[in-house]
Amino acid sequence: QSALTQPASVSGSPGQSITISCTGAGTDIGSYNLVSWYQQHPGKAPKLIIYEVTKRPSGVSPRFSGSKSDYTASLTISGLQPDDEANYHCCSYAGRNTLVFGGGTNLTVL
Amino acid sequence: EVELVESGGGLIQPGGSLRLSCAASGFTVDTSYMSWVRQAPGRGLEWVSVIFASGKSYYADFLKGRFTISRDSSKNILYLEMNNVAVEDSAVYYCARVGPPEALDIWGQGTMVTVSS
Repeated sequence: QSALTQPASVSGSPGQSITISCTGAGTDIGSYNLVSWYQQHPGKAPKLIIYEVTKRPSGVSPRFSGSKSDYTASLTISGLQPDDEANYHCCSYAGRNTLVFGGGTNLTVL
Repeated sequence: EVELVESGGGLIQPGGSLRLSCAASGFTVDTSYMSWVRQAPGRGLEWVSVIFASGKSYYADFLKGRFTISRDSSKNILYLEMNNVAVEDSAVYYCARVGPPEALDIWGQGTMVTVSS
């Protein structure tokens, strides 16, 4: 159960688009379309924003989108807004009824 | 309203035991898949355990049998029994519901556990 790899930080200006990558292995991202993404503001609980690679829960802005290629999943945020500044965590099913998270990416909106 | 509220965290010495609770409202824990996730200060999220509606439970390998997940259907509460804790177990512990397949759709506010002598 090795952690997924995310960049420590990314940044963008309001209105721009950014993409956060999440790299795993053949035992997790590479084998299952069960990647989820969570947004976490400082001091708050995580919030689900993407599940099953590309799906958005009700109420989540369409500015958030997900994708996957081979062992890497990606989260794209378009039309950056100040409130998007937060930590973003990827997660994948890793077989044997376990989950594995990435180390988290801090997004700064300049 | 669907809500999860954790409690039971605090300061504990290495080697000690602690039981965390997670009270659910708006849904029942025994018909849901429920998980515990932790986050050490300044670090990412780390999956700890899951309990299925059937009662079967699974754990992260690093726990080595030290933690036990359980539930009380009559009280609608999820538990995490932590034994032989180590400094590395210091973290905010969140309970969460598994909603969509293998995704955590409802989270509690977390409870802080500090392991220190």
